[in-house]
Amino acid sequence: AQSVTQLDSQVPVFEEAPVELRCNYSSSVSVYLFWYVQYPNQGLQLLLKYLSGSTLVKGINGFEAEFNKSQTSFHLRKPSVHISDTAEYFCAVISYNQGGKLIFGQGTELSVKP
Amino acid sequence: EAGVTQFPSHSVIEKGQTVTLRCDPISGHDNLYWYRRVMGKEIKFLLHFVKESKQDESGMPNNRFLAERTGGTYSTLKVQPAELEDSGVYFCASSQWAGGYGNEQFFGPGTRLTVL
Repeated sequence: AQSVTQLDSQVPVFEEAPVELRCNYSSSVSVYLFWYVQYPNQGLQLLLKYLSGSTLVKGINGFEAEFNKSQTSFHLRKPSVHISDTAEYFCAVISYNQGGKLIFGQGTELSVKP
Repeated sequence: EAGVTQFPSHSVIEKGQTVTLRCDPISGHDNLYWYRRVMGKEIKFLLHFVKESKQDESGMPNNRFLAERTGGTYSTLKVQPAELEDSGVYFCASSQWAGGYGNEQFFGPGTRLTVL
């Protein structure tokens, strides 16, 4: 069975500081990896995804993530956050043999303070 | 292009009543997924349609939940009778089929269901 662990439930940071949201996964088969963001009162929006190829993936709004197969991690980073980045972030995986269902982590609430 | 829409946005019902949630996917998307987030927990998969066929319903909690996708367009999720533990946010997502499952799933805003 697959599982995703987001190591921090809440991350408070000051504006313009760098941030890293951590994600580890467990799977016996190969996976696709995703980060979604949910702004207040909105649906989930895809930030970035890793399917294959380069392990450093760049997404929207200046976010990037690095796939580390040996550590089964897919941490999300941004060098300088803005107030508008305040939202909940979800790491998720799809296993190659599981028909497309996303397995989500518990979510990380990023709070950017002025 | 219109995104995934869900109706209603909120629903408050009494235990034992019936509720039907609706999802309209992006036009042309063959894949349609339902997910649920119970308060304090992670978002969990409920089921997956490919066109009008149920591809995977392994996440449906019990037989009080019935999902349909007539004609391969919109989908409904009926809860009958509702129990307190059914409260949560129900998300619908859709994606194109392109020979694999790495395509982006586009999510609707969710329906917040409260069972009293």
